[in-house]
Amino acid sequence: GIQVEQSPPDLILQEGANSTLRCNFSDSVNNLQWFHQNPWGQLINLFYIPSGTKQNGRLSATTVATERYSLLYISSSQTTDSGVYFCAVVAGGTSYGKLTFGQGTILTVHP
Amino acid sequence: NAGVMQNPRHLVRRRGQEARLRCSPMKGHSHVYWYRQLPEEGLKFMVYLQKENIIDESGMPKERFSAEFPKEGPSILRIQQVVRGDSAAYFCASSPHTQETQYFGPGTRLLVL
Repeated sequence: GIQVEQSPPDLILQEGANSTLRCNFSDSVNNLQWFHQNPWGQLINLFYIPSGTKQNGRLSATTVATERYSLLYISSSQTTDSGVYFCAVVAGGTSYGKLTFGQGTILTVHP
Repeated sequence: NAGVMQNPRHLVRRRGQEARLRCSPMKGHSHVYWYRQLPEEGLKFMVYLQKENIIDESGMPKERFSAEFPKEGPSILRIQQVVRGDSAAYFCASSPHTQETQYFGPGTRLLVL
């Protein structure tokens, strides 16, 4: 099956810093989503982005499907950005929405 | 528009008991997915259902686990004769169609004593 690798595994920042999280996938995809799992365990949708670039406030994401990677940018980080960031994909050619998740990036933002 | 609802949020069972986890998808969504997050592991797909049909159960353990999404009412994930290894967070997601954004519920944390 499709492989999803995220980097870095851990990231520690001071409040106000910028960061880039990466997601590599091993095959073509029909769907790519970024999630934030907050310290209470809830999974928050950030982006649905199988290709192209999107922005939402301090967050933006870019997926280059032909090169099989996606990037999540966090600018001016805040302590509330702490948590685990997951990338998840639906493999191309699959008719169904079975998401395969990466292992996540653990982000800690210090005040 | 209410989000995906799951209940209970926390469930404690003793070994050998049954666990029933419920998921109400977002209004207008007919596609439901169940995922499991085991401690120290990532999120793994379990099963994909549409109303009254199981479409893909490739991620479900072969024994003790079952899922349904009846014509009326919530989707149910049922675990019979629970064991300690079943302790995990179980998430439900829904979407209006396949290949569209999946919206996740808050999860049910199952603890097996």
